[in-house]
Amino acid sequence: QVQLVESGGGWVKPGGSLRLSCAASGFIFSDYYMNWIRQAPGKGLEWVAYISDSGDFIYYADSVKGRFTISRDDGKHSLYLQMNSLRADDSAMYYCARDVPATAAAAIVDYWGRGTLVTVSS
Amino acid sequence: QLVLSQSPPASASLGASVTLTCTLTTGHTSSTIAWHQQRPQQGPRYLMTVDSDGGHSKGDGIPDRFSGSSSGAERYLTISSLQSEDEADYYCQTWYTGGIRVFGGGTTLTVL
Repeated sequence: QVQLVESGGGWVKPGGSLRLSCAASGFIFSDYYMNWIRQAPGKGLEWVAYISDSGDFIYYADSVKGRFTISRDDGKHSLYLQMNSLRADDSAMYYCARDVPATAAAAIVDYWGRGTLVTVSS
Repeated sequence: QLVLSQSPPASASLGASVTLTCTLTTGHTSSTIAWHQQRPQQGPRYLMTVDSDGGHSKGDGIPDRFSGSSSGAERYLTISSLQSEDEADYYCQTWYTGGIRVFGGGTTLTVL
């Protein structure tokens, strides 16, 4: 079955960096668009970034553009999020999420990981 | 800019039915959306996709009690025969130009 397992979260000071990882299994990773989505404590869901199946298309939310970098390693079935210049308002649970198959021609998330918590505080 | 508006918090009794609403902004009323469920202290789970014609496609293992429909700019999630485990936050999600994904603010469902 499809599994997405995030890691790499933790506590970091403002201005610091973290690299999140997501290990995927149970499907052909290289065939799917992948996303990072976050949720601040007590708040709703906020999409952060996506990367296409080929890695050729990448898009970021305005709130993280220029600070975060999404990437993938299909050989390792892994998705990454490099987060630099972190701010207090980046504190959130970060979820790795898979899109529906490309044949559906829809940017819809159909599987989620359990998340990894990032806390930015001095 | 595409905005998804969701109905206010809802409550319903065990065994009853409830319908949650997600409204698309003007100019995006033909968009397909997805519904996601997030139980307390858990990650979200995909429920289904709902298109402008009211057709819906459910995720793996989603019970028949969950169904979707549409009317104009509104997309609905109906849960029948409510169970205690249906108590959760429900989010709608869609996308627009460039593939930017967007979520509604969520609706909290309480099962009495």
